[in-house]
Amino acid sequence: AQSVSQHNHHVILSEAASLELGCNYSYGGTVNLFWYVQYPGQHLQLLLKYFSGDPLVKGIKGFEAEFIKSKFSFNLRKPSVQWSDTAEYFCAVSQGDNFNKFYFGSGTKLNVKP
Amino acid sequence: EAGVAQSPRYKIIEKRQSVAFWCNPISGHATLYWYQQILGQGPKLLIQFQNNGVVDDSQLPKDRFSAERLKGVDSTLKIQPAKLEDSAVYLCASSPGQGAIGYTFGSGTRLTVV
Repeated sequence: AQSVSQHNHHVILSEAASLELGCNYSYGGTVNLFWYVQYPGQHLQLLLKYFSGDPLVKGIKGFEAEFIKSKFSFNLRKPSVQWSDTAEYFCAVSQGDNFNKFYFGSGTKLNVKP
Repeated sequence: EAGVAQSPRYKIIEKRQSVAFWCNPISGHATLYWYQQILGQGPKLLIQFQNNGVVDDSQLPKDRFSAERLKGVDSTLKIQPAKLEDSAVYLCASSPGQGAIGYTFGSGTRLTVV
């Protein structure tokens, strides 16, 4: 079975700091990659996704992620965080032959101090 | 468009009792999913429906969990009897079909088993 690792469980940053959240997966075949965000009290929302093509993916709210196949990684980045980015971030992976079966990481809680 | 509706939002039951959760997906979405999210973990897929048929229930504990989507629209997830370790948020999601974009999550039902 697929496993997804998010090594940072809790990150605390000041506003304007740069963000990078790690995500590694185990499956060696074709993968589809996602980052979801969950703001306090709200449902999971898609930030960005990668299916194929340019490994640098841009999402909403200034987030981007880079797929590095050789490292089985899909790290999330943002150059300058805001207080409103305080949320929990989940990396998810699905395998090419079963697009909609998502395997989620355990999540990273981001706390941005104003 | 209206989102994925779930009820109730919260439920507290004693162990060995039974409980049911309801989900109404986005209109026209053929595929419906139930996830279990235990505190500190990412969501785990329990069951996937395509219309009223089960596509994947490999991670559903079938001795106590059951789910149905009789008319291919709304769905219920039941736990009978509940155990303490079933305490979690139960998320419903829907998408237009296999391999389609537009995967949308509901806000979830938080179950506490005491």
